[in-house]
Amino acid sequence: AQSVTQLGSHVSVSEGALVLLRCNYSSSVPPYLFWYVQYPNQGLQLLLKYTTGATLVKGINGFEAEFKKSETSFHLTKPSAHMSDAAEYFCAVSAYNQGGKLIFGQGTELSVKP
Amino acid sequence: ETGVTQTPRHLVMGMTNKKSLKCEQHLGHNAMYWYKQSAKKPLELMFVYSLEERVENNSVPSRFSPECPNSSHLFLHLHTLQPEDSALYLCASSQDGQGVGLRQYFGPGTRLTVL
Repeated sequence: AQSVTQLGSHVSVSEGALVLLRCNYSSSVPPYLFWYVQYPNQGLQLLLKYTTGATLVKGINGFEAEFKKSETSFHLTKPSAHMSDAAEYFCAVSAYNQGGKLIFGQGTELSVKP
Repeated sequence: ETGVTQTPRHLVMGMTNKKSLKCEQHLGHNAMYWYKQSAKKPLELMFVYSLEERVENNSVPSRFSPECPNSSHLFLHLHTLQPEDSALYLCASSQDGQGVGLRQYFGPGTRLTVL
């Protein structure tokens, strides 16, 4: 079975600072990994996903994530935070033995201070 | 994104009421999902429909009853709910319910409050 752990339920950064949101996964088979973002009063939007191939994945709004198999991690980064990045971020995993099912982490709320 | 719509956006109901949540996807997808999002908890997958057939039911209480009349519409019928059922209910769709690594597209959710 797959599982996801997001370290830190709340992260606060200053505008212009590096954003680092941590995600570790557990999977007995090769995982597919996702980051979704949820803005207030909205549904989840896909930021980026890793399936196979290049381990550094670039997504929308300047975010990227790197798949590190040895560390079972898929941390999300952005070099310079913007006020509009304030939202809740969810890491998710799926695998071929789970069909299309996504397993989500508990989420990390990102605050951006001016 | 407006590919997945949900109505109503907000719903307040008493424990003895019967209400329904509606979801519609305009993306031509074959799979639809219901999730429950409670504060400080991971999203909980409730039901999965693939080609209008229910393929997953994650031990959801019978007071929640899903219906998928066609691949574009998904309903969640609610009956005799409990206050702990108050949450944001999210609908999602994907191209294929069995395809791995496929993106799910989410609606904006229905904020349900049970009094």
